[in-house]
Amino acid sequence: EAQVTQNPRYLITVTGKKLTVTCSQNMNHEYMSWYRQDPGLGLRQIYYSMNVEVTDKGDVPEGYKVSRKEKRNFPLILESPSPNQTSLYFCASSFPPAGELFFGEGSRLTVL
Amino acid sequence: TQLLEQSPQFLSIQEGENLTVYCNSSSVFSSLQWYRQEPGEGPVLLVTVVTGGEVKKLKRLTFQFGDARKDSSLHITAAQTGDTGLYLCAGFSYGQNFVFGPGTRLSVLP
Repeated sequence: EAQVTQNPRYLITVTGKKLTVTCSQNMNHEYMSWYRQDPGLGLRQIYYSMNVEVTDKGDVPEGYKVSRKEKRNFPLILESPSPNQTSLYFCASSFPPAGELFFGEGSRLTVL
Repeated sequence: TQLLEQSPQFLSIQEGENLTVYCNSSSVFSSLQWYRQEPGEGPVLLVTVVTGGEVKKLKRLTFQFGDARKDSSLHITAAQTGDTGLYLCAGFSYGQNFVFGPGTRLSVLP
């Protein structure tokens, strides 16, 4: 089954404690991206990757890092989380970049 | 930065009624997509429109892309409770990637 898998689905952490949200897709898509969803603001792109070893900033990259060492994986790293990063995060993949975005089920992060 | 606006933000109607939601921008997009998102899940694609003036139908849903490719509408005929969800439009431009609107939250009451 074609899918995008994110982990963890839910996480409560404290300010400054590094965390990683993993994302894996099994569709051999070249394009992957991360979004955060906040009430009234819709989905805002954090980072995206056009292919392995190629990443670029989206609209709200501050406080986040990503890496793309393998085609299927695109982890999101919060080096020092802060409360304003409390949000619902989605990973998505597509082929081509303008094609249908396949989303994971989301990761709800709370930073205390 | 390209922006997409959606209206209305919230909509609550009775089953069987018709409705239209709008997606507007001052920017031109290469293509525009509509997604529906249900609680606890990621958005799922409904349709992609790429040509100005294009109309696409998906059962009771009719999607239109504006002639200038800056706006779009989604019309639902005879809404059903299963149509309840968050409707998101997303515009795509090469070099800009996808930009999403804030969404229209639709509630269809039995």
